[in-house]
Amino acid sequence: DSGVTQTPKHLITATGQRVTLRCSPRSGDLSVYWYQQSLDQGLQFLIQYYNGEERAKGNILERFSAQQFPDLHSELNLSSLELGDSALYFCASSVSGTATYEQYFGPGTRLTVT
Amino acid sequence: EDQVTQSPEALRLQEGESSSLNCSYTVSGLRGLFWYRQDPGKGPEFLFTLYSAGEEKEKERLKATLTKKESFLHITAPKPEDSATYLCAVTNFGNEKLTFGTGTRLTIIP
Repeated sequence: DSGVTQTPKHLITATGQRVTLRCSPRSGDLSVYWYQQSLDQGLQFLIQYYNGEERAKGNILERFSAQQFPDLHSELNLSSLELGDSALYFCASSVSGTATYEQYFGPGTRLTVT
Repeated sequence: EDQVTQSPEALRLQEGESSSLNCSYTVSGLRGLFWYRQDPGKGPEFLFTLYSAGEEKEKERLKATLTKKESFLHITAPKPEDSATYLCAVTNFGNEKLTFGTGTRLTIIP
C-alpha cells in the first residue's frame, strides 16, 4: 500500500458527460501528479500541483482540469467525455523540493466511456 | 523532449533463469531514473531511483544499474511472483514530471 488513495475505483459513463476523480496524497506529501494510462499511449503525465498551486502541465486536454485543495487532496475533472478518454487515471504524490522525490502511485480509477 | 525506450517488450523466463531488462534514455539533463513494477490493473509500485552514471541499487532479486545512456534491471533467479510489467521513467532538471517507457512485460514460468 503506497498510502495514496483514489476514488472511485471504477467509473462508467456516457459520452458528453462530466466526471470527477479524487486523490488523497500520502501524509506529508505536498505534490500531486495526475497520469493517464491507455493501451496505445502508455503512462502520460497530465498535470502537477504543489501545495495548492499548479506547477507543471503536460499534454492535458482543455476539457480536463484539476485543482488541489487546502487539505492537499486533489480532484481531476473530465468533461465532454469522448470514447477515447477511456483509460486508467493514476494519481501520484511526492514530498517535492528535497533530494528524495520518488513519486508514489495510487491504485487508479478505471474510466469507461460508452 | 525526453524519450525512454525499453526492451524487450516481453520476456518469458523459466523460474531461476536470470536475465536483464534494458532502458535507453534521451534526456536534457538527467535528474533521476526510476524503475517501477506494475501488476495488471494496479498502480505502479516504486522500486529504485538512480541519479548518476555508475550507481547501482539492489532489492531482493533485483539490481538496477545506470550508465550515461541506459539503465539495466537485472533479475537474478526469478520466481513466479516476479511476473509483472517493469516500467522505466526519467525526470530532468526542468520539472518533476515522469516520462515513462512502454515497459517490459516479464513472465516467470514455474
